[in-house]
Amino acid sequence: AQSVTQLDSQVPVFEEAPVELRCNYSSSVSVYLFWYVQYPNQGLQLLLKYLSGSTLVKGINGFEAEFNKSQTSFHLRKPSVHISDTAEYFCAYGGTSYGKLTFGQGTILTVHP
Amino acid sequence: NAGVTQTPKFRILKIGQSMTLQCAQDMNHNYMYWYRQDPGMGLKLIYYSVGAGITDKGEVPNGYNVSRSTTEYFPLRLELAAPSQTSVYFCASSYPLDLGDTQYFGPGTRLTVL
Repeated sequence: AQSVTQLDSQVPVFEEAPVELRCNYSSSVSVYLFWYVQYPNQGLQLLLKYLSGSTLVKGINGFEAEFNKSQTSFHLRKPSVHISDTAEYFCAYGGTSYGKLTFGQGTILTVHP
Repeated sequence: NAGVTQTPKFRILKIGQSMTLQCAQDMNHNYMYWYRQDPGMGLKLIYYSVGAGITDKGEVPNGYNVSRSTTEYFPLRLELAAPSQTSVYFCASSYPLDLGDTQYFGPGTRLTVL
């Protein structure tokens, strides 16, 4: 069965610093990977997704992620964070029947002034 | 478009009570999903539906039931509420052209069982 592991439960960072949120997956079949963001007291919204093609995927709000098949990773990066990026971020694996997603445990990103 | 809507936003139940969490989408999506979110656990799939009249269990279905009589609505029923069902519940929908389609989430229902 496929699984998704987010390696950091919390990541504190100062405003304008770079950040990387780490995600590893385990699956031997077709890989579809997603990053979702959840702002406080809201639902999840899509940041970006990898389906095929270029391994560097750009998303909304200046985020990008790189798919690395040999390391089974899909890390999320942003070169300079803002206070407004404070949220919980979820990595998810798709590619199974009926569009079902398997989510990681989540990483809480806190941006300090 | 309102997208995916959920009611109520908050609810407190006593052990043994029942309730229905409502979910509606106005995007004509075929697929709909119910998740629960617990701190540090991510989201777990409870039930999903691929169209009106077709539902199936997800990873954590025990204690829940669903029905889907129309494309728009996908209610989640809790029978005999237990403290272990204290959680935040999210409904989502998608219109998969392939397996990589985006899921759109509602704002969630925060349920406490005392």
